[in-house]
Formats: sequence, structure tokens, C-alpha cells
Amino acid sequence: NAGVTQTPKFRVLKTGQSMTLLCAQDMNHEYMYWYRQDPGMGLRLIHYSVGEGTTAKGEVPDGYNVSRLKKQNFLLGLESAAPSQTSVYFCASSYNRGGAGNTIYFGEGSWLTVV
Amino acid sequence: GEDVEQSLFLSVREGDSSVINCTYTDSSSTYLYWYKQEPGAGLQLLTYIFSNMDMKQDQRLTVLLNKKDKHLSLRIADTQTGDSAIYFCAERRGYNTDKLIFGTGTRLQVFP
Repeated sequence: NAGVTQTPKFRVLKTGQSMTLLCAQDMNHEYMYWYRQDPGMGLRLIHYSVGEGTTAKGEVPDGYNVSRLKKQNFLLGLESAAPSQTSVYFCASSYNRGGAGNTIYFGEGSWLTVV
Repeated sequence: GEDVEQSLFLSVREGDSSVINCTYTDSSSTYLYWYKQEPGAGLQLLTYIFSNMDMKQDQRLTVLLNKKDKHLSLRIADTQTGDSAIYFCAERRGYNTDKLIFGTGTRLQVFP
């Protein structure tokens, strides 16, 4: 019953450092997403992927890169972290496109602080 | 979340009904969702409604949709302390997309 798993759960970075957040899902979902959650802003889509080997930009992609080399994994990279990237990051996945019953499953979040 | 708005806080007494409101601006919304986020956890889908419906009931939850006014609400009957959480509404624009636009979230506090 793992569902969507994110690592690490907590991380503190210095400005300019790089890091990668890993998302893994065991539901054989085609679609995967990375969101960030900031106070008073709701969730905003950073990047998403519609299948292995594909990625696409969301609402707020600047400063992030992603890769989907394996269907079950979706990596979010910060090449040069900035304090504005302090946020809670959520990974999500869904089976395919369309339909109300196409539930999007979320991970438990990764808390990132950039100092 | 700038096109989907919610009030930030709601406080209710245990046993009372809670009503959480959401307004959106895009007329191409096809489905609208309510998610619940408990402290330190991810988002859990509670319920959803298709845009051509005006009401949906699911146990203690009632969703009302006024498409003309672009207003969505979630009513929780007999609110319990376990309902304390942040509630997000989200809209899907169009059919051929899985991307959701989230509201800012409403923090529901239930007191005894």
C-alpha cells in the first residue's frame, strides 16, 4: 500500500546548492506531477509528465528541472536553490487523462527550506 | 491558485454543520473537486462534481455548484474534531487534461 512516496521528507539547503527530490509510485500510473504549496497560494503545478521519457512545464517551472527515466519515478531537481524555493513540494500521480473518476493521488510532501 | 478563491479560516463547534465556499472564474471547468489535507500529510480526494450537476451528496458531505455564479460549496454535516484540516477546492478546465487549478485552501477548526 505504498502509493506515492517522496524522499526526502525534510531538507535544509544553502542558497546555490543543488538537490533532487525523488517521487516513486507503485500504481503503474502514466501521469505524474510535481506541485509546490505556499501559504495562501494553494498548490501550483511545477512540471508534469504524461509518460516515461516525457516532461512538460506547469504554471511555475522556472528554477526546476525534471526527469522521468522510469515510469514509476519522477525526479524534481533544483540546480541552484534560492530562498524563494522554500516550500512544501508534493508529488502526485494518476492513471491517465480525463474522466472524473481519474483520481490524482498525492504523496505526503517534502519540506524544503533554503537559507 | 489566483483564479480559484476560498476564505482562509472557518471555525465551527463539534456537531454543527460546516460550509466551505469556493469561487472560480473559468467557464470551461468540467469537474470540480474537494480535497482534504491533514497536518503533515498529502491531499486526499473527498468528492467531486461534474459541471452539469448542481448537487451531489455523499454521506456527511454535500457539494453544491452554482455554475452561473461560478460558486462551489462543501457542506459537512455533524462536523467532528477529526474533520479539522485544510480543505482545497480544485477545478479541471476542459476534458483532455489532468491538470488541476487549486484554491488557496480553507483551514477548518472544530472545537468541542
